[in-house]
Amino acid sequence: DVKVTQSSRYLVKRTGEKVFLECVQDMDHENMFWYRQDPGLGLRLIYFSYDVKMKEKGDIPEGYSVSREKKERFSLILESASTNQTSMYLCASSLSGRFNQPQHFGDGTRLSIL
Amino acid sequence: AQKITQTQPGMFVQEKEAVTLDCTYDTSDQSYGLFWYKQPSSGEMIFLIYQGSYDEQNATEGRYSLNFQKARKSANLVISASQLGDSAMYFCAMREALKYGGATNKLIFGTGTLLAVQP
Repeated sequence: DVKVTQSSRYLVKRTGEKVFLECVQDMDHENMFWYRQDPGLGLRLIYFSYDVKMKEKGDIPEGYSVSREKKERFSLILESASTNQTSMYLCASSLSGRFNQPQHFGDGTRLSIL
Repeated sequence: AQKITQTQPGMFVQEKEAVTLDCTYDTSDQSYGLFWYKQPSSGEMIFLIYQGSYDEQNATEGRYSLNFQKARKSANLVISASQLGDSAMYFCAMREALKYGGATNKLIFGTGTLLAVQP
């Protein structure tokens, strides 16, 4: 089974802090994704990466950056956290190139910015 | 315009009954893939079922089946014999084609339907 592990289930940070959310997958997937989930808005893509050191902006990249130095690890960085970044953050990974490849998700991180 | 529309924000169903969760999609591609995910209150997203645009048969996985109506652009999830553990948020998602062939890496998600199974 694919395992996607997010470093924290719950995180509380202060406004202005630099926040790191870590995600690790164990299936040698090329693609990794960061989403945020807010009530009534579904999942919105922040950034994704299709290879080491490669990244593409998603639908809502403002206020976020990412890092992928190793294939198995994808980090989401909030450079200067703000209260409107309080949300559920989900990491996912997948293989490339085929329609039937699902994305496999971690358990999510509930982030509160105070 | 929404690419994936789930018109039911929430639904109730009695235990042991069947329930249909609606999903319509919007794409001009001939090749695409459709997915359903389940998200319990604990937060993890669980992949349930997949339907390809060229699949002639409706997909089935245990108690889950997909009622795929291509001309109507709908891909409704049917859960048979509902169980209390089916109470969760359900998301429909689509993978579109790349301009010059193949599949995109990204999934487009709907806003979800919250299903509550009553004893």
